[in-house]
Amino acid sequence: NAGVMQNPRHLVRRRGQEARLRCSPMKGHSHVYWYRQLPEEGLKFMVYLQKENIIDESGMPKERFSAEFPKEGPSILRIQQVVRGDSAAYFCASSRETGEKLFFGSGTQLSVL
Amino acid sequence: AQKITQTQPGMFVQEKEAVTLDCTYDTSDPSYGLFWYKQPSSGEMIFLIYQGSYDQQNATEGRYSLNFQKARKSANLVISASQLGDSAMYFCAMRDNGSGGSNYKLTFGKGTLLTVNP
Repeated sequence: NAGVMQNPRHLVRRRGQEARLRCSPMKGHSHVYWYRQLPEEGLKFMVYLQKENIIDESGMPKERFSAEFPKEGPSILRIQQVVRGDSAAYFCASSRETGEKLFFGSGTQLSVL
Repeated sequence: AQKITQTQPGMFVQEKEAVTLDCTYDTSDPSYGLFWYKQPSSGEMIFLIYQGSYDQQNATEGRYSLNFQKARKSANLVISASQLGDSAMYFCAMRDNGSGGSNYKLTFGKGTLLTVNP
């Protein structure tokens, strides 16, 4: 039973490019959460999605960031026109139902040059 | 708003000894959950242990136990018989468990870097 799968593991982008981070939740899980970890910090909540719906995006910057979880396929976190301050580890987690235990993926380390 | 405080940026322990990692929290929610996660140098987040605010007994999972002191708002992690593989960052986190709120959102502390010496 595969866990939460994130890819790529490492992503390097130049300033101004777009970054697309993918997350496939655990089998049977329809709730997906994205967290960001800045250097020497704990994880911070960004967005919570269910299939085809954004439930809570209160932790996501209003500009340049977007997230989706389509009916088919993985959840995507998209960062347009990346800046150096976007360099961080981005973690995806999933749960079967809201309020249940979260299972985390291994994260995507984004480096912006 | 919820807040997690981990006051120990780094801790050292000798192999086979026990170590306590501190965590204090602040919340106005009557029902909440407390979590500990381990993050090794490879980066993944590994769930270790969970304590509910209404649980009568302290949680235990193998060598991990959670020293939950509700009145003091502390949820310290105790690792017994430390092993070299325990060297990692450890994060304390909490979540509102109420029915009408953001019971899906974890708030994390800044973490404690544990180093186990041979």
